[in-house]
Amino acid sequence: SYDLTQPPSVSVSPGQTASIACSGDSLANQFSYWYQHKPGQAPTLMIYKDTERPSGIPERFSGSSSGTTATLTINGVRAEDEADYYCQSSDNSGAFRVFGGGTKVTVL
Amino acid sequence: QVQLLQSGAEVRKPGASVKISCTASGYMFTRFYLHWIRQAPGQGLEWMGVINPRAGYRSYAQKFQDRIKVTGDASSNIVHLELSSLRSDDTATYYCAREDYSSSLGFDFWGQGTLVSVSS
Repeated sequence: SYDLTQPPSVSVSPGQTASIACSGDSLANQFSYWYQHKPGQAPTLMIYKDTERPSGIPERFSGSSSGTTATLTINGVRAEDEADYYCQSSDNSGAFRVFGGGTKVTVL
Repeated sequence: QVQLLQSGAEVRKPGASVKISCTASGYMFTRFYLHWIRQAPGQGLEWMGVINPRAGYRSYAQKFQDRIKVTGDASSNIVHLELSSLRSDDTATYYCAREDYSSSLGFDFWGQGTLVSVSS
């Protein structure tokens, strides 16, 4: 199976740290990716190849991966970070892609 | 600059088919896979399928295998998604997104989305 599991929601106060875990068997052998999705917009790539940050993505966003779990961490959360976040990976053959169910981050 | 421009919103009745397009510009079209991803109202992102415009290679999510077709035209930098036997739960925003498969960079650019509404 290459399903990915995320918590449905995370709440965090401004300035605090938010962590979102993504678990799935395929993560042991495949890279993880993270996307931010705000209403009315196309998703934005936030982390690629487990830990890399694309140009223009703030340093407060970081990624890590160990075994079958990948984690997105947002340090010093800001109100503008309120969004849905999706992890994504591939099956072991690389032929298929899969998204986690998404995590709604609420900034209190 | 890189752009993925999708065709406009569509309305269909159950059982019909829909074909939407994604026109790429600003990069070498054949160097990147193009994927189709959708989001139904209140639901998460769902990967549907991919095409390699250089080689014509395609892969589809098992859920859509019997009613999806992705085609590409490298001469005009266009990829099409065709979905048949539409149901009400196919109502969604459909996105195309590119992937540099050789460098594992993920879906780094996305189209603006195309809303497909299925209703009797």
